Amino acid sequence: NAGVMQNPRHLVRRRGQEARLRCSPVKGHSHVYWYRQLPEEGLKFMVYLQKENIIDESGMPKERFSAEFPKEGPSILRIQQVVRGDSAAYFCASSPPRGGYEQYFGPGTRLTVT
Amino acid sequence: AQSVSQHNHHVILSEAASLELGCNYSYGGTVNLFWYVQYPGQHLQLLLKYFSGDPLVKGIKGFEAEFIKSKFSFNLRKPSVQWSDTAEYFCAVNAWNNDMRFGAGTRLTVKP
Repeated sequence: NAGVMQNPRHLVRRRGQEARLRCSPVKGHSHVYWYRQLPEEGLKFMVYLQKENIIDESGMPKERFSAEFPKEGPSILRIQQVVRGDSAAYFCASSPPRGGYEQYFGPGTRLTVT
Repeated sequence: AQSVSQHNHHVILSEAASLELGCNYSYGGTVNLFWYVQYPGQHLQLLLKYFSGDPLVKGIKGFEAEFIKSKFSFNLRKPSVQWSDTAEYFCAVNAWNNDMRFGAGTRLTVKP
């Protein structure tokens, strides 16, 4: 009974490189959410996806950030040309198809930009 | 869209003190309410949830929360905190559209 899985757990990138964060939801969950947690700050919503659809990306920076949740495979959060300010913990969560349920969180990916 | 505000950014208590963390939300319709806890270095875990019924909800580890609809509040309480309760606590609201919104979090430090 696997929960939400994220990889890698730790990712180090140099400024200007690309970061790809992966999230596999709980089996049977078709909704995926990405959050960013900065040091000393709370949990910031980034994007909400269903299979092959972006439902709400109001929390995503307009540039360099993109997310997808393909029909097959994990959800990907992609950060192009990373900058030091992108250093944070990125959490993925998933929920069942029916609305209103709690979200199940993964262990997070800690991104460090050097 | 719904939004959530948590009034306290950082709370420091001694062991055995009572705890109450405030949470207010803004949304005109029916909501589901949650409290999550994040222990140092760990991911978020569900502490308790309210969907319907008795507005006083009991969760794990002796926590409880009360939904007061007229005040749009869902405050978290614990009669006697322990050092192991040191963590960050997040209130969240889901308005049945699967679009969950979290508060900024309250960091609780319990001194032994």
